[in-house]
Amino acid sequence: EPEVTQTPSHQVTQMGQEVILRCVPISNHLYFYWYRQILGQKVEFLVSFYNNEISEKSEIFDDQFSVERPDGSNFTLKIRSTKLEDSAMYFCASSEVGDSPLHFGNGTRLTVT
Amino acid sequence: GEDVEQSLFLSVREGDSSVINCTYTDSSSTYLYWYKQEPGAGLQLLTYIFSNMDMKQDQRLTVLLNKKDKHLSLRIADTQTGDSAIYFCADGPKGSARQLTFGSGTQLTVLP
Repeated sequence: EPEVTQTPSHQVTQMGQEVILRCVPISNHLYFYWYRQILGQKVEFLVSFYNNEISEKSEIFDDQFSVERPDGSNFTLKIRSTKLEDSAMYFCASSEVGDSPLHFGNGTRLTVT
Repeated sequence: GEDVEQSLFLSVREGDSSVINCTYTDSSSTYLYWYKQEPGAGLQLLTYIFSNMDMKQDQRLTVLLNKKDKHLSLRIADTQTGDSAIYFCADGPKGSARQLTFGSGTQLTVLP
């Protein structure tokens, strides 16, 4: 069964550094998403992406965050200058169309020290 | 704002049925979902129900939706030790908003 793949599985970075989290969505899916889960908290929506542009973003997704689909298969989340509070599990998801169920990857655990 | 609530813990004996409950506040969602998260793993889509349905059955899983009470449940028949995980209820999208709103997750522990 096709799946969403994320790399790396674990990323450790120092405060203030830039990180890029990578995702390969399911190939025939058109909508892409990033969610995050801070330890002990709910899974929270960050951003959705369709037709090469952001379609929605939450208030968490401030100017430090950006997303990109650099080629036909990858979907990336960049955090420009990481803060301690960015430490979380980041999940990528994709859906076939906007109303279809979301399929999630295994996540990237980001640790900011 | 919109909220999705779940109880935090559930323990059952192997072979028994498990029922995980969820309540939500926003009735405009298109779908309601159940995701499973095993330790260190991602969110696995278990099943989902369209908001105009009352029930959906998929092998050992039965989803019941009570729209009047805004209550969703997941029943796992013949629960196995491999079912031990965190189960998340989520709803969405709502109109043009594509995001899902998640509950806190219910930790299911299956005892031998």
